[in-house]
Amino acid sequence: DTEVTQTPKHLVMGMTNKKSLKCEQHMGHRAMYWYKQKAKKPPELMFVYSYEKLSINESVPSRFSPECPNSSLLNLHLHALQPEDSALYLCASSQTDRALNQPQHFGDGTRLSIL
Amino acid sequence: TQLLEQSPQFLSIQEGENLTVYCNSSSVFSSLQWYRQEPGEGPVLLVTVVTGGEVKKLKRLTFQFGDARKDSSLHITAAQPGDTGLYLCAGSRNKLVFGAGTILRVKS
Repeated sequence: DTEVTQTPKHLVMGMTNKKSLKCEQHMGHRAMYWYKQKAKKPPELMFVYSYEKLSINESVPSRFSPECPNSSLLNLHLHALQPEDSALYLCASSQTDRALNQPQHFGDGTRLSIL
Repeated sequence: TQLLEQSPQFLSIQEGENLTVYCNSSSVFSSLQWYRQEPGEGPVLLVTVVTGGEVKKLKRLTFQFGDARKDSSLHITAAQPGDTGLYLCAGSRNKLVFGAGTILRVKS
Protein backbone atom coordinates (compact mmCIF):
# COMPACT_ATOMS: atom_id res chain seq x y z
CA ASP A 1 0.00 0.00 0.00
CA THR A 2 1.25 3.44 -0.91
CA GLU A 3 1.87 5.97 1.87
CA VAL A 4 0.56 8.77 -0.35
CA THR A 5 -3.21 8.53 -0.76
CA GLN A 6 -5.00 10.08 -3.69
CA THR A 7 -8.74 10.46 -4.20
CA PRO A 8 -10.69 9.84 -6.27
CA LYS A 9 -9.04 7.00 -8.20
CA HIS A 10 -11.09 7.77 -11.29
CA LEU A 11 -12.87 10.97 -12.36
CA VAL A 12 -14.94 11.71 -15.44
CA MET A 13 -16.00 15.30 -15.92
CA GLY A 14 -17.37 17.61 -18.56
CA MET A 15 -15.51 20.66 -19.80
CA THR A 16 -17.71 23.03 -17.78
CA ASN A 17 -17.47 21.15 -14.46
CA LYS A 18 -15.48 22.11 -11.38
CA LYS A 19 -13.86 19.29 -9.44
CA SER A 20 -10.93 18.76 -7.07
CA LEU A 21 -8.27 16.10 -6.72
CA LYS A 22 -7.01 15.34 -3.24
CA CYS A 23 -3.71 14.02 -1.92
CA GLU A 24 -2.70 13.15 1.63
CA GLN A 25 0.52 11.98 3.27
CA HIS A 26 1.39 11.41 6.93
CA MET A 27 5.14 10.85 6.62
CA GLY A 28 6.00 14.32 7.83
CA HIS A 29 7.24 15.29 4.38
CA ARG A 30 7.45 19.02 3.76
CA ALA A 31 7.51 18.94 -0.06
CA MET A 32 4.58 17.85 -2.19
CA TYR A 33 4.24 17.62 -5.94
CA TRP A 34 1.64 17.33 -8.71
CA TYR A 35 2.56 15.51 -11.91
CA LYS A 36 0.62 14.82 -15.09
CA GLN A 37 1.29 11.54 -16.88
CA LYS A 38 0.05 10.47 -20.31
CA ALA A 39 -0.06 6.78 -21.24
CA LYS A 40 3.38 5.15 -21.59
CA LYS A 41 5.12 8.49 -20.97
CA PRO A 42 7.10 9.76 -17.96
CA PRO A 43 5.47 12.02 -15.36
CA GLU A 44 5.60 15.75 -16.16
CA LEU A 45 6.02 18.10 -13.22
CA MET A 46 3.22 20.62 -12.73
CA PHE A 47 3.63 22.15 -9.26
CA VAL A 48 5.89 21.91 -6.22
CA TYR A 49 4.92 22.99 -2.72
CA SER A 50 7.60 23.46 -0.11
CA TYR A 51 6.60 24.06 3.51
CA GLU A 52 3.05 24.74 2.27
CA LYS A 53 4.15 27.47 -0.14
CA LEU A 54 4.11 27.16 -3.92
CA SER A 55 7.74 27.04 -5.02
CA ILE A 56 7.50 25.82 -8.64
CA ASN A 57 4.76 26.30 -11.24
CA GLU A 58 5.84 24.73 -14.52
CA SER A 59 3.81 27.19 -16.64
CA VAL A 60 0.64 25.24 -16.01
CA PRO A 61 -2.61 26.73 -17.44
CA SER A 62 -4.75 28.57 -14.90
CA ARG A 63 -7.56 26.04 -15.29
CA PHE A 64 -5.43 23.97 -12.86
CA SER A 65 -5.25 25.57 -9.41
CA PRO A 66 -3.22 23.94 -6.64
CA GLU A 67 -3.80 24.42 -2.94
CA CYS A 68 -1.91 23.22 0.13
CA PRO A 69 -4.18 23.63 3.20
CA ASN A 70 -1.60 22.09 5.56
CA SER A 71 1.58 20.06 5.54
CA SER A 72 -0.27 16.78 4.97
CA LEU A 73 -2.76 17.78 2.30
CA LEU A 74 -2.47 18.88 -1.31
CA ASN A 75 -5.40 19.66 -3.59
CA LEU A 76 -5.67 20.32 -7.29
CA HIS A 77 -8.75 22.30 -8.30
CA LEU A 78 -9.96 21.78 -11.86
CA HIS A 79 -12.17 24.10 -13.90
CA ALA A 80 -13.02 24.34 -17.60
CA LEU A 81 -10.64 21.56 -18.59
CA GLN A 82 -10.02 20.47 -22.16
CA PRO A 83 -10.07 16.92 -23.59
CA GLU A 84 -6.27 16.99 -23.88
CA ASP A 85 -6.12 17.32 -20.09
CA SER A 86 -7.24 13.70 -19.79
CA ALA A 87 -4.37 11.89 -18.08
CA LEU A 88 -3.19 10.25 -14.87
CA TYR A 89 -2.53 12.89 -12.21
CA LEU A 90 0.08 11.82 -9.69
CA CYS A 91 0.82 13.31 -6.32
CA ALA A 92 4.21 12.78 -4.68
CA SER A 93 5.99 13.87 -1.53
CA SER A 94 9.57 14.05 -0.27
CA GLN A 95 11.22 15.12 2.97
CA THR A 96 12.09 18.55 1.56
CA ASP A 97 12.03 20.16 -1.87
CA ARG A 98 15.79 20.00 -2.16
CA ALA A 99 15.79 17.22 -4.74
CA LEU A 100 19.35 16.32 -3.87
CA ASN A 101 19.28 12.56 -3.31
CA GLN A 102 15.74 12.72 -2.01
CA PRO A 103 13.40 9.96 -3.14
CA GLN A 104 9.86 10.91 -3.99
CA HIS A 105 6.96 8.80 -2.77
CA PHE A 106 4.14 8.64 -5.29
CA GLY A 107 0.45 7.98 -4.88
CA ASP A 108 -1.37 5.70 -7.30
CA GLY A 109 -2.87 8.67 -9.10
CA THR A 110 -6.26 9.88 -10.24
CA ARG A 111 -7.27 8.77 -13.74
CA LEU A 112 -9.01 11.85 -15.20
CA SER A 113 -11.17 11.75 -18.31
CA ILE A 114 -12.60 14.95 -19.83
CA LEU A 115 -15.65 14.51 -22.00
CA THR B 1 15.47 18.22 -26.03
CA GLN B 2 15.35 15.40 -23.49
CA LEU B 3 17.83 16.03 -20.69
CA LEU B 4 17.94 12.31 -19.87
CA GLU B 5 17.97 9.88 -22.79
CA GLN B 6 16.68 6.46 -21.88
CA SER B 7 16.99 3.37 -24.08
CA PRO B 8 15.52 1.18 -25.29
CA GLN B 9 11.99 2.59 -25.32
CA PHE B 10 10.40 -0.84 -25.54
CA LEU B 11 11.70 -4.28 -24.65
CA SER B 12 9.84 -7.58 -25.00
CA ILE B 13 11.74 -10.65 -23.82
CA GLN B 14 11.21 -14.22 -22.68
CA GLU B 15 11.31 -15.25 -19.05
CA GLY B 16 14.86 -16.10 -18.00
CA GLU B 17 16.61 -13.67 -20.36
CA ASN B 18 18.90 -10.86 -19.21
CA LEU B 19 18.47 -7.22 -20.18
CA THR B 20 20.04 -3.80 -19.69
CA VAL B 21 18.37 -0.39 -19.71
CA TYR B 22 20.48 2.72 -20.24
CA CYS B 23 20.05 6.28 -19.05
CA ASN B 24 22.40 8.89 -20.56
CA SER B 25 22.88 12.62 -20.30
CA SER B 26 25.39 15.29 -21.25
CA SER B 27 24.77 16.88 -17.84
CA VAL B 28 26.07 15.91 -14.41
CA PHE B 29 23.55 14.89 -11.79
CA SER B 30 24.08 14.88 -8.03
CA SER B 31 22.22 11.57 -7.92
CA LEU B 32 20.12 9.35 -10.09
CA GLN B 33 17.04 7.40 -9.13
CA TRP B 34 15.36 4.42 -10.78
CA TYR B 35 11.62 3.86 -10.47
CA ARG B 36 9.32 1.11 -11.66
CA GLN B 37 5.68 1.76 -12.46
CA GLU B 38 3.06 -0.92 -12.96
CA PRO B 39 -0.27 -0.27 -14.71
CA GLY B 40 -2.76 1.53 -12.46
CA GLU B 41 -0.13 2.46 -9.90
CA GLY B 42 2.30 5.27 -9.22
CA PRO B 43 6.07 4.95 -9.71
CA VAL B 44 7.88 3.11 -6.92
CA LEU B 45 11.50 3.92 -6.09
CA LEU B 46 13.92 1.04 -6.71
CA VAL B 47 17.24 2.67 -5.90
CA THR B 48 19.16 5.94 -5.60
CA VAL B 49 22.77 6.08 -6.79
CA VAL B 50 24.88 8.96 -5.54
CA THR B 51 28.60 8.32 -6.00
CA GLY B 52 30.29 8.17 -9.40
CA GLY B 53 31.14 4.55 -10.23
CA GLU B 54 28.72 3.24 -7.65
CA VAL B 55 27.16 -0.20 -8.13
CA LYS B 56 24.08 -1.29 -6.19
CA LYS B 57 22.37 -4.66 -6.26
CA LEU B 58 18.76 -5.38 -5.45
CA LYS B 59 18.21 -9.14 -5.82
CA ARG B 60 18.33 -9.72 -9.61
CA LEU B 61 18.67 -6.00 -10.40
CA THR B 62 22.08 -4.31 -10.69
CA PHE B 63 22.35 -0.53 -10.94
CA GLN B 64 25.45 1.39 -11.99
CA PHE B 65 26.20 5.11 -11.87
CA GLY B 66 28.80 6.33 -14.35
CA ASP B 67 32.12 7.66 -13.08
CA ALA B 68 31.26 11.15 -14.35
CA ARG B 69 27.72 10.97 -12.89
CA LYS B 70 26.19 11.56 -16.32
CA ASP B 71 24.84 8.09 -17.04
CA SER B 72 23.41 5.02 -15.38
CA SER B 73 22.34 1.51 -16.25
CA LEU B 74 19.93 -1.07 -14.90
CA HIS B 75 20.70 -4.73 -15.55
CA ILE B 76 18.14 -7.44 -14.82
CA THR B 77 19.28 -11.04 -14.63
CA ALA B 78 16.90 -13.91 -15.40
CA ALA B 79 13.88 -11.67 -15.96
CA GLN B 80 10.51 -12.82 -14.64
CA PRO B 81 6.96 -11.85 -15.70
CA GLY B 82 6.68 -9.88 -12.45
CA ASP B 83 9.42 -7.54 -13.74
CA THR B 84 7.01 -6.24 -16.39
CA GLY B 85 6.43 -2.51 -16.11
CA LEU B 86 7.60 0.98 -17.02
CA TYR B 87 11.14 1.69 -15.80
CA LEU B 88 12.03 5.34 -15.28
CA CYS B 89 15.36 6.91 -14.52
CA ALA B 90 15.29 10.33 -12.87
CA GLY B 91 18.11 12.74 -12.20
CA SER B 92 18.32 15.21 -9.33
CA ARG B 93 19.00 18.86 -10.13
CA ASN B 94 16.83 21.63 -8.66
CA LYS B 95 13.96 19.27 -9.39
CA LEU B 96 13.58 15.65 -10.48
CA VAL B 97 14.12 15.20 -14.24
CA PHE B 98 12.69 11.99 -15.71
CA GLY B 99 13.89 10.02 -18.70
CA ALA B 100 11.33 8.97 -21.31
CA GLY B 101 11.00 5.51 -19.75
CA THR B 102 11.47 1.91 -20.89
CA ILE B 103 8.43 -0.32 -21.24
CA LEU B 104 9.49 -3.86 -20.35
CA ARG B 105 7.37 -6.90 -21.06
CA VAL B 106 8.54 -10.30 -19.87
CA LYS B 107 6.67 -13.21 -21.43
CA SER B 108 6.33 -16.57 -19.68
